[in-house]
Amino acid sequence: AQSVTQLDSHVSVSEGTPVLLRCNYSSSYSPSLFWYVQHPNKGLQLLLKYTSAATLVKGINGFEAEFKKSETSFHLTKPSAHMSDAAEYFCVVSPNQAGTALIFGKGTTLSVSS
Amino acid sequence: GAVVSQHPSRVICKSGTSVKIECRSLDFQATTMFWYRQFPKQSLMLMATSNEGSKATYEQGVEKDKFLINHASLTLSTLTVTSAHPEDSSFYICSAPREMNTEAFFGQGTRLTVV
Repeated sequence: AQSVTQLDSHVSVSEGTPVLLRCNYSSSYSPSLFWYVQHPNKGLQLLLKYTSAATLVKGINGFEAEFKKSETSFHLTKPSAHMSDAAEYFCVVSPNQAGTALIFGKGTTLSVSS
Repeated sequence: GAVVSQHPSRVICKSGTSVKIECRSLDFQATTMFWYRQFPKQSLMLMATSNEGSKATYEQGVEKDKFLINHASLTLSTLTVTSAHPEDSSFYICSAPREMNTEAFFGQGTRLTVV
């Protein structure tokens, strides 16, 4: 069975400082992993995805994530936070089976202060 | 541009009425679509899997007679909330995967408020 755990429900940073949102996964085989962002009252936007190619994945808006199999982690980072980054972030794992839904973490709320 | 379109984005209805939400894949065929529900400040919870041409598969605890799903074509799935009550107020999101091992595309979501 696959699962994903977001280690922090809420992260607060100052504008211009680095962002780290932590995610650990559990999977019996090599998973596909994603980070999605959701702004208030909006739908979901894909930030980046890992599908067994390069372990360091670059996404949109300066975000990146590194797949570490030995640590079963897929943490999301950004060197310098912007006010517009304040949102809800979801780490997601794909069961890699046709017709099977994605599995969502509980989400991390990122707050950015000026 | 959006590849999955969900409509309406916001609806307010009276208690006891029914509301239909549409989810369309715009440039690909989706034999499977998923319906999620999201309560305030919570994650997305899978409600059901919609399969074109067959019955939907509901997650445990989801009432199939209350949340009717129809997937009549390869590009359209509908979710009907029947006899809505205030506790059904929530954010409903559909998604469709284009291919296995790829990200799912999500609709814009529907904010349902039952008064």
